[in-house]
Amino acid sequence: AQKITQTQPGMFVQEKEAVTLDCTYDTSDQSYGLFWYKQPSSGEMIFLIYQGSYDEQNATEGRYSLNFQKARKSANLVISASQLGDSAMYFCAMRELSGSARQLTFGSGTQLTVLP
Amino acid sequence: DAGVIQSPRHEVTEMGQEVTLRCKPISGHNSLFWYRQTMMRGLELLIYFNNNVPIDDSGMPEDRFSAKMPNASFSTLKIQPSEPRDSAVYFCASNRDHNEQFFGPGTRLTVL
Repeated sequence: AQKITQTQPGMFVQEKEAVTLDCTYDTSDQSYGLFWYKQPSSGEMIFLIYQGSYDEQNATEGRYSLNFQKARKSANLVISASQLGDSAMYFCAMRELSGSARQLTFGSGTQLTVLP
Repeated sequence: DAGVIQSPRHEVTEMGQEVTLRCKPISGHNSLFWYRQTMMRGLELLIYFNNNVPIDDSGMPEDRFSAKMPNASFSTLKIQPSEPRDSAVYFCASNRDHNEQFFGPGTRLTVL
């Protein structure tokens, strides 16, 4: 079973508008972390934002915020005031924190295109 | 601060040749990860090390792949012999404890 599901292969948004990228996850662990990474066309992977399963408040980092709904097991990324430079592939990832496992499991990604 | 360093950035080789990819993690990080990214399979974890010890190599495709981490500042991923289906971007990442992983720029491997 997929642990991380990103149902939107591609998204378009108008410059300066907000956009939400969906991510749902599957885990039986109580302790886990959720991550979003950005991969522009140049190929590097850039960490954007992190949400811990016990964090009571939604994480925010500048124009990025994470809409964390624990009961629904969703961790959607919200980008406000989109810019042309936001055009990239976005990956949601999860790490289960119980035990010694340290690896991230990635979703299939969403290709975001910001239109001028 | 130097990030994760990978070399080479690009590698083109012929089928059957040995390929060695190199990674220098961020100083002070105690975990190192090797990922492979392809269009078909997305990002896959191949192997990760914690304190230089391989912890999970279940993602390594087959015996042609091997990885080592002789010390805290260096790791290699070797493919011998290489095959065209190994063509991909190989990322190395590192972190400390449960914090976010920092990725290197990747090595784009093409096997002809």
